Amino acid sequence: AQSVAQPEDQVNVAEGNPLTVKCTYSVSGNPYLFWYVQYPNRGLQFLLKYITGDNLVKGSYGFEAEFNKSQTSFHLKKPSALVSDSALYFCAVSNTNAGKSTFGDGTTLTVKP
Amino acid sequence: EAGVAQSPRYKIIEKRQSVAFWCNPISGHATLYWYQQILGQGPKLLIQFQNNGVVDDSQLPKDRFSAERLKGVDSTLKIQPAKLEDSAVYLCASSPGQQYQETQYFGPGTRLLVL
Repeated sequence: AQSVAQPEDQVNVAEGNPLTVKCTYSVSGNPYLFWYVQYPNRGLQFLLKYITGDNLVKGSYGFEAEFNKSQTSFHLKKPSALVSDSALYFCAVSNTNAGKSTFGDGTTLTVKP
Repeated sequence: EAGVAQSPRYKIIEKRQSVAFWCNPISGHATLYWYQQILGQGPKLLIQFQNNGVVDDSQLPKDRFSAERLKGVDSTLKIQPAKLEDSAVYLCASSPGQQYQETQYFGPGTRLLVL
C-alpha cells in the first residue's frame, strides 16, 4: 500500500527566510508526486507535481520541490517566504499500480513578519 | 473557466438523519472524486467516477454512504443514517481524464457537523 508522511505538523519561518516543508513517500513502482495548498475555508489548490524527468520541479507562487528517489522524498521549498504563504500544505502520491492519490496529513506553515 | 462547485457549504444535522451533497465539476472533466477530510487529517478518497462509471469505491462505507454521477456530469453524495464520526469536510474534485498523473481541481468543500 502506498503512503505519505509529512513529519512536521507545523513549520514556522520569518518572512524573507527560506522555507522547507518535508514529505516522504512509499509506493510500489514509479511515483507521481503532488503538492497542494489549502487556505481557510477553501478547497485544495494545486502547486506543482513531479511525473518524470528533471528532479527539480518549479510551480506556482515561487515554490519548487525536489524529487529524491534514493531518499523517497519530495520536499517543498521556497527561497524567500511571504506572510501570504501561511496556509496548510498537503503532499500526495499516486501511481499507475495503486491508482488513487494518497494524501499526507498536512503541514501548517506560518510565516511571521 | 468556472471551477468545481459544491453545495451546500455548511450543514448541521443530528445523528441518524440523512444528508446529501452536490458537486458540479469543471466542464469537460471526465473524472470526479469525492474525498472526506476529517479535522487534522489529509483528504481520504471515498469514490472516484470516470464519466458515470465507478473506478474506485474501496473506501466508501457502503452501508451508509452512496454516490451517483448522473449523465457523467453532476454528482451527489448521500449519507444515511449519519453518525457522529461523519463530521468532516467533504471535498469534490475533478480532472480532465483518468491518468493518475493528472492534476485534480478541488471545490470549496461542504463542512458537515453531526450532533
